[in-house]
Amino acid sequence: AQRVTQPEKLLSVFKGAPVELKCNYSYSGSPELFWYVQYSRQRLQLLLRHISRESIKGFTADLNKGETSFHLKKPFAQEEDSAMYYCAPPRYNFNKFYFGSGTKLNVKP
Amino acid sequence: IAGITQAPTSQILAAGRRMTLRCTQDMRHNAMYWYRQDLGLGLRLIHYSNTAGTTGKGEVPDGYSVSRANTDDFPLTLASAVPSQTSVYFCASSPGGIRSNEQFFGPGTRLTVL
Repeated sequence: AQRVTQPEKLLSVFKGAPVELKCNYSYSGSPELFWYVQYSRQRLQLLLRHISRESIKGFTADLNKGETSFHLKKPFAQEEDSAMYYCAPPRYNFNKFYFGSGTKLNVKP
Repeated sequence: IAGITQAPTSQILAAGRRMTLRCTQDMRHNAMYWYRQDLGLGLRLIHYSNTAGTTGKGEVPDGYSVSRANTDDFPLTLASAVPSQTSVYFCASSPGGIRSNEQFFGPGTRLTVL
């Protein structure tokens, strides 16, 4: 099974503070990792994927093969960043596919 | 229709009743999925379909069934609902088949089983 772990269920930061949402994966090979975001009462949507090395809404995520991590970072959090964030592994084996359990980010004014 | 739609938006259901959650996409995606979202447990895959005519079991398939008669529709049926099936259900589709991880999600169905 390919698993990702998000160790923090809830992360609270103040507006303007840096934020890092952790994601670790536990499989070998060339991982293709994604971050999804779900704003309150909305559907999940793709935030970014590591292969494109893009920055979306100020968020970046770097794949660290040595630490098997794909942490999501933003230097200055905004209140509108408050949401649930899910780390997702590639879908090589459907019935063993695991999203991370999600981290709820709360950005306080 | 644009993207993925789900119906109903929410439903309160008596235990033991049969219920079908509907999911329709107009993007001609081959792969479709059903997840349930529970507090503290994140998203868990219930069933999936790689293409029309095929389905497979996900992580938590018990108590649920699906069918994929055509590309657009992927209904999820609870044959005899139980309170533990109270959850928010999300349907999703993927353009690139089973190896594509980019999924497009529906708005969700909030189901309460009493």
